[in-house]
Amino acid sequence: ELKVEQNPLFLSMQEGKNYTIYCNYSTTSDRLYWYRQDPGKSLESLFVLLSNGAVKQEGRLMASLDTKARLSTLHITAAVHDLSATYFCAVDIPLGGSQGNLIFGKGTKLSVKP
Amino acid sequence: EPEVTQTPSHQVTQMGQEVILRCVPISNHLYFYWYRQILGQKVEFLVSFYNNEISEKSEIFDDQFSVERPDGSNFTLKIRSTKLEDSAMYFCASSEYPGLAGGPAGNEQFFGPGTRLTVL
Repeated sequence: ELKVEQNPLFLSMQEGKNYTIYCNYSTTSDRLYWYRQDPGKSLESLFVLLSNGAVKQEGRLMASLDTKARLSTLHITAAVHDLSATYFCAVDIPLGGSQGNLIFGKGTKLSVKP
Repeated sequence: EPEVTQTPSHQVTQMGQEVILRCVPISNHLYFYWYRQILGQKVEFLVSFYNNEISEKSEIFDDQFSVERPDGSNFTLKIRSTKLEDSAMYFCASSEYPGLAGGPAGNEQFFGPGTRLTVL
């Protein structure tokens, strides 16, 4: 059974601090995506990681992918309150055909406090 | 900026009734998806659709569910006889590339705002 596991599931941070969210997955894939979801809202695409060693950065967030370890990380630098949201990683796994489908982790609910 | 739209934003229905959730994908996208998210839980894949056919479906997508592209712009999810456990947020998504066939953004999927389905 395919598993996509994120940890931690809940993260309370102080502004200005750094932290890393981890995403492990159980099957071979070299395509991983990070999404952000604000309460009651849709999912916003943050990062697309398409190869081993891929690293993408946007503002205070940086995502990386190690396909050999089946691990992606989302690193938060000098957190600010605006980053408070739930962050999901998703692995692109075709169930049988050629069209990939996203299998999501449970999400990490991040709360940044002053 | 182009976006995926969904209607209605909230649907309340009685158990056993049929509901149709509607989506308008991004206009130049060819690959369409439905996901659901039970309150406070993770997002679950339901079905993918391309070229007027279902590409793949999950175990959740049983005979009570169907999808259709009735015209050149809409993409619908029908639940034939709703159950209490169908209460969830349903997200439509679309992508320009299917993933395995490559493309600069892999299978980056763009999500609509969702329809909250409440079954009483």
